[in-house]
Amino acid sequence: SQQGEEDPQALSIQEGENATMNCSYKTSINNLQWYRQNSGRGLVHLILIRSNEREKHSGRLRVTLDTSKKSSSLLITASRAADTASYFCANRSGRGLTFGEGTQLTVNP
Amino acid sequence: ETGVTQTPRHLVMGMTNKKSLKCEQHLGHNAMYWYKQSAKKPLELMFVYNFKEQTENNSVPSRFSPECPNSSHLFLHLHTLQPEDSALYLCASSQSQQGAGYTFGSGTRLTVV
Repeated sequence: SQQGEEDPQALSIQEGENATMNCSYKTSINNLQWYRQNSGRGLVHLILIRSNEREKHSGRLRVTLDTSKKSSSLLITASRAADTASYFCANRSGRGLTFGEGTQLTVNP
Repeated sequence: ETGVTQTPRHLVMGMTNKKSLKCEQHLGHNAMYWYKQSAKKPLELMFVYNFKEQTENNSVPSRFSPECPNSSHLFLHLHTLQPEDSALYLCASSQSQQGAGYTFGSGTRLTVV
């Protein structure tokens, strides 16, 4: 079964606006990770939040984790056209990471 | 470059061909992974290697055969593939299997004709 489910599936915003993507998962986790993928390329690790953390920042990224609701959110502030990509949450299931279907973010100049 | 290199970048093969995908990392990571990414589907974990030992085979058909001769190199041998095997095949590595972030290669875009 899919461990991570992102919503919305697609998000289109104007440059300078904030973008928020959500992720829900089903099992207990040690950590939850967010990745981005430009079209047809490999995934790039953005940020990892541990199960005992509630919020984490990295540059324009802010990630929250609510283990009671089994959910996480990724906020990108002051978005840029270069932020256009697919964003995935992932958590470990078995021996490897399991990824959700992703949110396709389009930032219009 | 991410430190994980995949070759070739693109591959077109017939259903009766045999080909291999290669992945190489010099990040000192001990775990390596193969993922399949098909259009409109989540990434599917195929195989996991830890210290060059296979620790997971996620019910992958035998026409996909992985090989990990050392912790830096990972291969995916392909034979008698089907058109539905066309996808982006991604290799990744991590320091350990214990939940560290993954470093991905750029992938091999495979088309089976």
